[in-house]
Amino acid sequence: DAGITQSPRHKVTETGTPVTLRCHQTENHRYMYWYRQDPGHGLRLIHYSYGVKDTDKGEVSDGYSVSRSKTEDFLLTLESATSSQTSVYFCAISFGGLNYGYTFGSGTRLTVV
Amino acid sequence: QQPVQSPQAVILREGEDAVINCSSSKALYSVHWYRQKHGEAPVFLMILLKGGEQKGHEKISASFNEKKQQSSLYLTASQLSYSGTYFCGTQRYNTDKLIFGTGTRLQVFP
Repeated sequence: DAGITQSPRHKVTETGTPVTLRCHQTENHRYMYWYRQDPGHGLRLIHYSYGVKDTDKGEVSDGYSVSRSKTEDFLLTLESATSSQTSVYFCAISFGGLNYGYTFGSGTRLTVV
Repeated sequence: QQPVQSPQAVILREGEDAVINCSSSKALYSVHWYRQKHGEAPVFLMILLKGGEQKGHEKISASFNEKKQQSSLYLTASQLSYSGTYFCGTQRYNTDKLIFGTGTRLQVFP
């Protein structure tokens, strides 16, 4: 089992529509993160969560919101999709602490037309 | 602010060595290194926590100079499987998040 799954894997949506991406983990990790990946920019942090209902903004949070009502699920919502939000979105989880890296999901490729 | 990685791209023949650098303008608590193959998710390689600490993973090792906020990833006797994009992720004190560099694309040819 992967331990972390993202859905959908691919999505095409129209400008102005709301979109929700889901990240689901079975590892019971405390920390969950949403990154976007674009050519030339690497991975940029959108939002992250350090517990149920505990979230914080990252570097590129404008136009995005998140929710975490259960340990295993972290939702990313594009409130009104724009073409600039066309990207590959990665969710990551971490146990936290000093010696743990991140485990990334397989990504969601989102195209806004 | 994203850490700066250099070089942006490296081309190697099998068996050659490479060094990838990661530099931050902020004081760092830790540095992570990840490798991403085309079309796949990034994969964790190692984490460095202390000034001057070095770690190894197969023939890949890294160092972290906490005083200079710099880390270097060393790939020795490169293999075809080392091809991919390498990212450093930096963590500042009293934060729970990683900020990634823009990546270094490594290509190893036979």
